[in-house]
Amino acid sequence: ETGVTQTPRHLVMGMTNKKSLKCEQHLGHNAMYWYKQSAKKPLELMFVYSLEERVENNSVPSRFSPECPNSSHLFLHLHTLQPEDSALYLCASSQDQQGFNEQYFGPGTRLTVT
Amino acid sequence: AQSVAQPEDQVNVAEGNPLTVKCTYSVSGNPYLFWYVQYPNRGLQFLLKYITGDNLVKGSYGFEAEFNKSQTSFHLKKPSALVSDSALYFCAVLGLDSNYQLIWGAGTKLIIKP
Repeated sequence: ETGVTQTPRHLVMGMTNKKSLKCEQHLGHNAMYWYKQSAKKPLELMFVYSLEERVENNSVPSRFSPECPNSSHLFLHLHTLQPEDSALYLCASSQDQQGFNEQYFGPGTRLTVT
Repeated sequence: AQSVAQPEDQVNVAEGNPLTVKCTYSVSGNPYLFWYVQYPNRGLQFLLKYITGDNLVKGSYGFEAEFNKSQTSFHLKKPSALVSDSALYFCAVLGLDSNYQLIWGAGTKLIIKP
């Protein structure tokens, strides 16, 4: 296993709900990432945190709100999502946020917005 | 603009035959190239990377990739395919002009038939 866990694995939510995705890494890494994966599309980088500080926010709608309370945990808070937000949300970590080091991915949360 | 192309949505190979999954890229400066694999219901796993040095890079599970600067390609290869190699394969390039974040291809589904 990769040492990156995500919960829940599956989530169905209505457009008016509020929910949170959780990610935890047990690798001692300093950088953590949220990606959105849609079928037959490149992975979309959403957020990058380095040492608990957000260093990248790729024009993600405000209905997605990340939180990184410490270097091992990362959350993605969801509010008033749209059906087009249905996708697999992947969390990843790496030694640093420079990109030269490989990223370790969690299994993802399959999100369905109804 | 920096980009990665995986020209084949799907590649079908008979077990025991050699396999190739294609990747071409467009970046400014020297490229840093990666291959990841995603098995069903799993997150992505790192396979191999090219940073510098020998153009032939060896990675996990018997895979290798050849960096070809003149053709701006980084094709993934394996001499003898296994049914267990069936998965989704992603090529990525480190974008030095994109704040050191990975630029991903759309993925190629590899199907190995017994």
